[in-house]
Amino acid sequence: GDSVTQMEGPVTLSEEAFLTINCTYTATGYPSLFWYVQYPGEGLQLLLKATKADDKGSNKGFEATYRKETTSFHLEKGSVQVSDSAVYFCQAAGNKLTFGGGTRVLVKP
Amino acid sequence: DTEVTQTPKHLVMGMTNKKSLKCEQHMGHRAMYWYKQKAKKPPELMFVYSYEKLSINESVPSRFSPECPNSSLLNLHLHALQPEDSALYLCASSQASGEWETQYFGPGTRLLVL
Repeated sequence: GDSVTQMEGPVTLSEEAFLTINCTYTATGYPSLFWYVQYPGEGLQLLLKATKADDKGSNKGFEATYRKETTSFHLEKGSVQVSDSAVYFCQAAGNKLTFGGGTRVLVKP
Repeated sequence: DTEVTQTPKHLVMGMTNKKSLKCEQHMGHRAMYWYKQKAKKPPELMFVYSYEKLSINESVPSRFSPECPNSSLLNLHLHALQPEDSALYLCASSQASGEWETQYFGPGTRLLVL
């Protein structure tokens, strides 16, 4: 069946550090891929998405590229802020909707 | 208006109670979803409605009963819940579910079953 694997957190960084969160998926066909962010006490918000191979999604300084050959959709940001502290979820939307386990990110001043 | 609203924000209920969660969107979306999220876990899909018809039920126990009265509203009726049903219940909507689209999530209802 479909599955999404994310690196386990928590990931603790200092402000202005580089952030990478790995995401790999297993799915039949060509799923659309999403990154969602969840701030404490809130629902999920779309961060970015990509619908086909080699597409790059970007938003608020975050980027992820749909890599079909490695079945990956790693999230990156070049310089994180304290306000980026949240839980990040990777989602594959193919035959079904599948979330990864989530990665908690804590950015310290 | 890109907002999904959920009421109530918090709910405490006993195992013999009957209660309902409500979700509303005015974005013209035709797909609506219920998810259950336990602490430090990803959301688990429960139900999907597409054009007001139930299209996906992820083998959810019958003590959870969804209802979609119209294209803007989604309810989740709760009856005879167990303490392990305590969780954050998230509603989401999207343009349609024929091809999976971006989901817009509400803030959730935090449910405690005593």
